[in-house]
Amino acid sequence: DIVMTQSPDSLAVSLGERAAIHCKSSQSVLHSSNNKNYLAWYQQKPGQPPKLLISWASIRESGVPDRLSGSGSATDFTLTINSLQAEDVAFYFCQQYSSTPWTFGQGTKVEIK
Amino acid sequence: QVQLHQWGAGLLKPSETLSLTCAVNRGSFSAFYWNWIRQPPGKGPEWLGEINQGGSTNYNPSLMSRLNISVDTSKNQFSLRLNSVTAADTAVYFCAGALITMAGPIAFDPWGQGTLVIVSS
Repeated sequence: DIVMTQSPDSLAVSLGERAAIHCKSSQSVLHSSNNKNYLAWYQQKPGQPPKLLISWASIRESGVPDRLSGSGSATDFTLTINSLQAEDVAFYFCQQYSSTPWTFGQGTKVEIK
Repeated sequence: QVQLHQWGAGLLKPSETLSLTCAVNRGSFSAFYWNWIRQPPGKGPEWLGEINQGGSTNYNPSLMSRLNISVDTSKNQFSLRLNSVTAADTAVYFCAGALITMAGPIAFDPWGQGTLVIVSS
């Protein structure tokens, strides 16, 4: 199984400041056949299902604010939230869809400082 | 836009069978792999397994011996059965779709609303 490890477990950032969440996979999720990273990021608020934010490591879903961005390749990835807003308070998870079993990170809680 | 609605029993005793069903509305049932995912309180999600319209399944090896996912194409529904539950199976269970592309099934979207399943004697 590919193990996904996120850091930090929690993060407190002032409104308007930048938050960065890191995700490391135990194996590369970059497929050489198409040069795509099979990595997604989700946001989850209390009592709600996860919401897909980013797929292919850096492609934002429709409606996702451009202050959220994904970067990285192979085994190391980052979700960056520029200019944190109150509505960004949530848990964030990375997930690999490179090989089964599909696996998630343990999550990072983002709060307002 | 594809929408998912799930239902099933939320309180079970140890050794009983967990049973959940998910209905797919407004979308192409054949365009997705249909998944079950669970999330213990305060933890990251765990993928359980998936099925496509044709009935082909993939299961998480950690649960394969107790797990069965089935599909009813006449109703655009798919179901989860998990046998011999214990307290460790207490979690919120979600159904979710993964769009099938030339690059394979991709990230999970959409998701059902979630069902809290508690296993307690």
